[in-house]
Amino acid sequence: QQPVQSPQAVILREGEDAVINCSSSKALYSVHWYRQKHGEAPVFLMILLKGGEQMRHEKISASFNEKKQQSSLYLTASQLSYSGTYFCGTENKLVFGAGTILRVKS
Amino acid sequence: NAGVTQTPKFRILKIGQSMTLQCAQDMNHNYMYWYRQDPGMGLKLIYYSVGAGITDKGEVPNGYNVSRSTTEDFPLRLELAAPSQTSVYFCASSYGSRADTQYFGPGTRLTVL
Repeated sequence: QQPVQSPQAVILREGEDAVINCSSSKALYSVHWYRQKHGEAPVFLMILLKGGEQMRHEKISASFNEKKQQSSLYLTASQLSYSGTYFCGTENKLVFGAGTILRVKS
Repeated sequence: NAGVTQTPKFRILKIGQSMTLQCAQDMNHNYMYWYRQDPGMGLKLIYYSVGAGITDKGEVPNGYNVSRSTTEDFPLRLELAAPSQTSVYFCASSYGSRADTQYFGPGTRLTVL
């Protein structure tokens, strides 16, 4: 079953922060986060494992709440290069959410 | 390492034609996947493989077939192409499943007219 991402889209100015959420109705072992720029393939950001630590990729970090079956991606002091669509994926055949479009404006 | 490669990059098919999308990886990964991505949408898993000779269906397998005779190659066959199969197709690979990173190929943009 597809995880649910929120918000669907967000527009930021450079330097602002954002949070993207990913929720599942099924128990999770791991959550994957990917970013896809327009016309390109998805690129891996990080994996969060059940019982694992919060992960970080540059100024992007993520948390995983197993009890709530959700993960959150935190984008701090956003840069223009952060623009793209962010997908979360859950294990067992890796089902992806519909994506969150992030646009950072100067 | 070339990573994950896909051919062709673009293809236009007529309704009812067949074709094979090629995917190869040189990272000695056990797992390989085929996804399709419709415009403005997320990725949908078509088929995946956990090793040579072993394949399984994903969310949207109808109209497609796969085979995995070697660790490196995972071709996707479209039989009797339909307009609903117009999409961008991504192949990916990972060493294992669940906790392992998936590496994506550049994609094949397919249009069925």
